[in-house]
Amino acid sequence: DAKTTQPTSMDCAEGRAANLPCNHSTISGNEYVYWYRQIHSQGPQYIIHGLKNNETNEMASLIITEDRKSSTLILPHATLRDTAVYYCIVRVANFGNEKLTFGTGTRLTIIP
Amino acid sequence: GAVVSQHPSWVICKSGTSVKIECRSLDFQATTMFWYRQFPKQSLMLMATSNEGSKATYEQGVEKDKFLINHASLTLSTLTVTSAHPEDSSFYICSARTLEDYEQYFGPGTRLTVT
Repeated sequence: DAKTTQPTSMDCAEGRAANLPCNHSTISGNEYVYWYRQIHSQGPQYIIHGLKNNETNEMASLIITEDRKSSTLILPHATLRDTAVYYCIVRVANFGNEKLTFGTGTRLTIIP
Repeated sequence: GAVVSQHPSWVICKSGTSVKIECRSLDFQATTMFWYRQFPKQSLMLMATSNEGSKATYEQGVEKDKFLINHASLTLSTLTVTSAHPEDSSFYICSARTLEDYEQYFGPGTRLTVT
């Protein structure tokens, strides 16, 4: 699986949009971009994933650049409960290879 | 849907004893479950991949005789830490892969403290 690079930490004011970047310049054509988050002392929570089109769900939006070498996770109206470590992972989404390799992630702190 | 539970949520044991952690998929069947370990302020590290009815596949550097994994049914996998030592104190997290969409869903984790 391709390696990702994320900023170590970020702050965001409550109520504002939180934009979390991720670089994955070595991503392969069949690899998806996944985002998970981990709130302190809990298991990771799936947020969203995409291949090349932008995706949106009830939690967040995922913007993938046209060359697919980077992406941004957007939390549109951050709340204090969004304080967590956010992991960007690229992986092949098929039956034969489903390992998730977690990097160091971005520690997002929402400021009241 | 896709809920994964772990039991216990935390456990304290004495050095030299063994402790078993259960991972259950509550509302789906999971042919594959994964076990991770997370030390304080570090990321999750995959320990092993557990397939129902077969032997687990361990990642490099993980002692299979120390971390016994059993995946006897489509909804239950267990991790037994044998002869635990203080350095085994960690946060153990499991995940289960659904048959429908092949996505992984994570349990809430088990905090193990070995005294």
